[in-house]
Amino acid sequence: GAGVSQSPRYKVAKRGQDVALRCDPISGHVSLFWYQQALGQGPEFLTYFQNEAQLDKSGLPSDRFFAERPEGSVSTLKIQRTQQEDSAVYLCASSPRGGARTYEQYFGPGTRLTVT
Amino acid sequence: DAKTTQPPSMDCAEGRAANLPCNHSTISGNEYVYWYRQIHSQGPQYIIHGLKNNETNEMASLIITEDRKSSTLILPHATLRDTAVYYCIVTGTYKYIFGTGTRLKVLA
Repeated sequence: GAGVSQSPRYKVAKRGQDVALRCDPISGHVSLFWYQQALGQGPEFLTYFQNEAQLDKSGLPSDRFFAERPEGSVSTLKIQRTQQEDSAVYLCASSPRGGARTYEQYFGPGTRLTVT
Repeated sequence: DAKTTQPPSMDCAEGRAANLPCNHSTISGNEYVYWYRQIHSQGPQYIIHGLKNNETNEMASLIITEDRKSSTLILPHATLRDTAVYYCIVTGTYKYIFGTGTRLKVLA
């Protein structure tokens, strides 16, 4: 079946531009996660949604980062006034269940953001 | 969440078993051990997870020591397509903390 999809796959932005990254989770999945992966590093947690509720945004690096999932399915990660240090791969993952317990997560291919 | 330690890299001959170790000496009773892998330019892929018993699925086996302070992921017959970075994650919640993983290279 269809997995998690992300668009665009590649994005080049000039410093100071705003960008919006889209995630389409697996249909019916309750939980949605965003991660940031710098070159040569493992993914780092950014934020977690259970349906449309953003329950954890402790990993967002600054107030320039904003995520939403208004109808509990598609999610958008927005970065305002991009900086060079925002260059990374942004990964989205979804999971069929929600709550505080742990479950396996299914990852999309990521969006590679390059800020010039 | 407990911290994990993995060797940075390993090689394995094609067709042989790949045994990837992970130390998690501070694991607590309600924390699971998860393994994911990331093939170049793709998102991480779930492999297997366990709490205290050994687990096996179509991809791999997971062996957890009795004291739960370490585990080993076993790929029974490694192929070139198993070349990837393998991450061991210990967590009791939705929040994953990835380390830098083990870069496994399967050699022809």
